Amino acid sequence: SQQGEEDPQALSIQEGENATMNCSYKTSINNLQWYRQNSGRGLVHLILIRSNEREKHSGRLRVTLDTSKKSSSLLITASRAADTASYFCATENQAGTALIFGKGTTLSVSS
Amino acid sequence: NAGVMQNPRHLVRRRGQEARLRCSPMKGHSHVYWYRQLPEEGLKFMVYLQKENIIDESGMPKERFSAEFPKEGPSILRIQQVVRGDSAAYFCASSPVPGLAGIEQFFGPGTRLTVL
Repeated sequence: SQQGEEDPQALSIQEGENATMNCSYKTSINNLQWYRQNSGRGLVHLILIRSNEREKHSGRLRVTLDTSKKSSSLLITASRAADTASYFCATENQAGTALIFGKGTTLSVSS
Repeated sequence: NAGVMQNPRHLVRRRGQEARLRCSPMKGHSHVYWYRQLPEEGLKFMVYLQKENIIDESGMPKERFSAEFPKEGPSILRIQQVVRGDSAAYFCASSPVPGLAGIEQFFGPGTRLTVL
């Protein structure tokens, strides 16, 4: 079953604007990761946030985690055309042997 | 340090044929994970292997699919008697440590299988 569900499914913005994507999950987690996938390519790891962290930054990325609401958000500030991609959140399965991905948010940034 | 390598990048098979997908993990990584991605979907876990061992195959279809990671050489995902529903992108990922334990996975570029 799907663990993470991203929202919205698709997002279109202009360059320079901020993009916010949300992820909800069902069971307790040790950590949550965000990945990016450019069209037709593999996934690239963006950031990992642990269950005892509330916020984490990496460059133009800001991730928050609210374990009480079982949700996370990814904020990309000052977006660029090169940020156009699909973004997935992922959590670990119970056994810690696999990542469970949501369906992703497709971000389109136009110049 | 080369990343995760997958080949072929594109594979076309007719129904009933066999598909073999190869994955070479990053140097120093001995843990390999296979995922399948259907169009407009996220990745779905299939199998987790260490050298010469299948650790978790809970996401693998019971029939026609098998995976191995021999002592020498790449990991192989084998699909026998392919059907149109097997058409998807298959991704391999590797990690340097057992299980996940909050460690990122490094993904290959994927193999896109098309079954005619």
